[in-house]
Amino acid sequence: AQKVTQAQTEISVVEKEDVTLDCVYETRDTTYYLFWYKQPPSGELVFLIRRNSFDEQNEISGRYSWNFQKSTSSFNFTITASQVVDSAVYFCALSETLNSGGSNYKLTFGKGTLLTVNP
Amino acid sequence: NAGVMQNPRHLVRRRGQEARLRCSPMKGHSHVYWYRQLPEEGLKFMVYLQKENIIDESGMPKERFSAEFPKEGPSILRIQQVVRGDSAAYFCASSPIATSFYEQYFGPGTRLTVT
Repeated sequence: AQKVTQAQTEISVVEKEDVTLDCVYETRDTTYYLFWYKQPPSGELVFLIRRNSFDEQNEISGRYSWNFQKSTSSFNFTITASQVVDSAVYFCALSETLNSGGSNYKLTFGKGTLLTVNP
Repeated sequence: NAGVMQNPRHLVRRRGQEARLRCSPMKGHSHVYWYRQLPEEGLKFMVYLQKENIIDESGMPKERFSAEFPKEGPSILRIQQVVRGDSAAYFCASSPIATSFYEQYFGPGTRLTVT
């Protein structure tokens, strides 16, 4: 069975600090997708990134960067120079693919990391 | 292009009443997924529907919960005889095709409170 572990329940930083949110996953699939979502205090889910298991290139988007390491089954998310508006719960998620007979539409979410950025 | 719409955003029901949650997918999307988020938990898959078909309801509680996605109109998640443990945020997502190749676009959620 698939599993996503976000070991950090809560993180608190001061504005302008860099912060890394950890995500470790378990799957028997050779092909899968990993996602990060942001849930601000207003409650909606905001898609941040999708990563294919065959693509281990790190990605940077503005102050956000993602480090995918297949060898350690980790897909960590770093926010550089954090801002108060980054305060939210961040979810890592995993989906299977049909190749392994799995259900490729089901996202398995971690429990989330609450990030608080203080001014 | 309007996103996924859910209504109501907040719903309060007394124990024993029925709750009906509605989800309108993005234009052009014919695949709908419902997830439940219990307090301080991640989202858990409940059901996957295409128009007029339930494809996978493996995450739905066996009793009191049902879902539909009619040919016309929104998808409905129905909870009969609600109990306090049903209090949660219910999210709907939609996608143009049934594959994780596309991200699922999530609606703003319906927060159900059972008193």
